[in-house]
Amino acid sequence: DAKTTQPPSMDCAEGRAANLPCNHSTISGNEYVYWYRQIHSQGPQYIIHGLKNNETNEMASLIITEDRKSSTLILPHATLRDTAVYYCIVRSRSGNTPLVFGKGTRLSVIA
Amino acid sequence: GAVVSQHPSRVICKSGTSVKIECRSLDFQATTMFWYRQFPKQSLMLMATSNEGSKATYEQGVEKDKFLINHASLTLSTLTVTSAHPEDSSFYICSARERAGAPYRPYNEQFFGPGTRLTVL
Repeated sequence: DAKTTQPPSMDCAEGRAANLPCNHSTISGNEYVYWYRQIHSQGPQYIIHGLKNNETNEMASLIITEDRKSSTLILPHATLRDTAVYYCIVRSRSGNTPLVFGKGTRLSVIA
Repeated sequence: GAVVSQHPSRVICKSGTSVKIECRSLDFQATTMFWYRQFPKQSLMLMATSNEGSKATYEQGVEKDKFLINHASLTLSTLTVTSAHPEDSSFYICSARERAGAPYRPYNEQFFGPGTRLTVL
């Protein structure tokens, strides 16, 4: 699976949009971009995933560049409960490979 | 839906004893389960992959005789830390993947348990 690069940490003011970038320049055609987050001392929580089109759900939006070499996770109105480590993972949707976690981005939402 | 539970959530044991952690998929059948370990301020590290009814596949550097994994049914996997030592103290997280062809959830997604914090004295 392709490797991803994320900034180690970011701050965001409460109520503002949090934009978390991820680079995945070696992504291949059948690989999806997944986002998970981990709140302190809990298991990872699925947020969203996409292939090439932008995606939106009740938690977040995922913007994938046209060349698919990078993406941005957007939390439209960040709250204190969104403080967590956010992981961007690239993986083929088929097959049996497990999710492999990098270091992620530690997002701190500040009141 | 897609709930994965772990038991216990927290355990403290003495050095040299064995500890069993259970992972259950509550509302789906998990053909594959994964075990991860997470040390403080670090990311999740995959320990092993287990398929129901088969022997687990361990990642490089993980001792299979120390971390015994059993996946005897489609809803239960157990991780036993044998002869635990203080360096085994960690946050252990299981993850389950649903049987292929499940109609109501994306195929091949992984769902995570809440984790078990093990402290070995």
